[in-house]
Amino acid sequence: DQQVKQNSPSLSVQEGRISILNCDYTNSMFDYFLWYKKYPAEGPTFLISISSIKDKNEDGRFTVFLNKSAKHLSLHIVPSQPGDSAVYFCAASARSNYKLTFGKGTLLTVNP
Amino acid sequence: DADVTQTPRNRITKTGKRIMLECSQTKGHDRMYWYRQDPGLGLRLIYYSFDVKDINKGEISDGYSVSRQAQAKFSLSLESAIPNQTALYFCATSDWDRGLADTQYFGPGTRLTVL
Repeated sequence: DQQVKQNSPSLSVQEGRISILNCDYTNSMFDYFLWYKKYPAEGPTFLISISSIKDKNEDGRFTVFLNKSAKHLSLHIVPSQPGDSAVYFCAASARSNYKLTFGKGTLLTVNP
Repeated sequence: DADVTQTPRNRITKTGKRIMLECSQTKGHDRMYWYRQDPGLGLRLIYYSFDVKDINKGEISDGYSVSRQAQAKFSLSLESAIPNQTALYFCATSDWDRGLADTQYFGPGTRLTVL
């Protein structure tokens, strides 16, 4: 049973436009959510996170939105840059055990 | 220098061989994790350790064992490798932060191929 779902395996956007990556979760115990970026031949790199007590967290060009009632979060990248091309993983954890559950990832391609 | 290092970076082995993957960290974190990544499946947790004396199975621990030799070192062993253990393996660390779930920091990965 997949508790964290990224339903879009890939996304392609033009440089300068907005990239929106989506993630859905099923476990209502999850209360902390993270996004990781992964380049080929490298380990995942932490990007941004959000606690369930918030509905938005912003860091530069990256903003994560959380809709608890819909069990949905999204990552917005504005403006998108070619260097943002990577696989993005959504992850979630519950304060009870702090283990991360990952989605399968979305490959973002930003075209010059 | 990298905070989380993994050795080897690449390994090709044969079915039935014993393999050890090593992870070291200089971040001073208590918690360490081993994941595997397969195409289309994301990252799945194999084992995790919250301190030197605390080791726990993850969702896919069958066929694997681990050793936490010190706070900074966490090794993953495949006692008798099989082809479906061909994957990318990642080590991660985190620092428990009271009141907040932790953020994990990943090593560069080991690409293991079992023939």
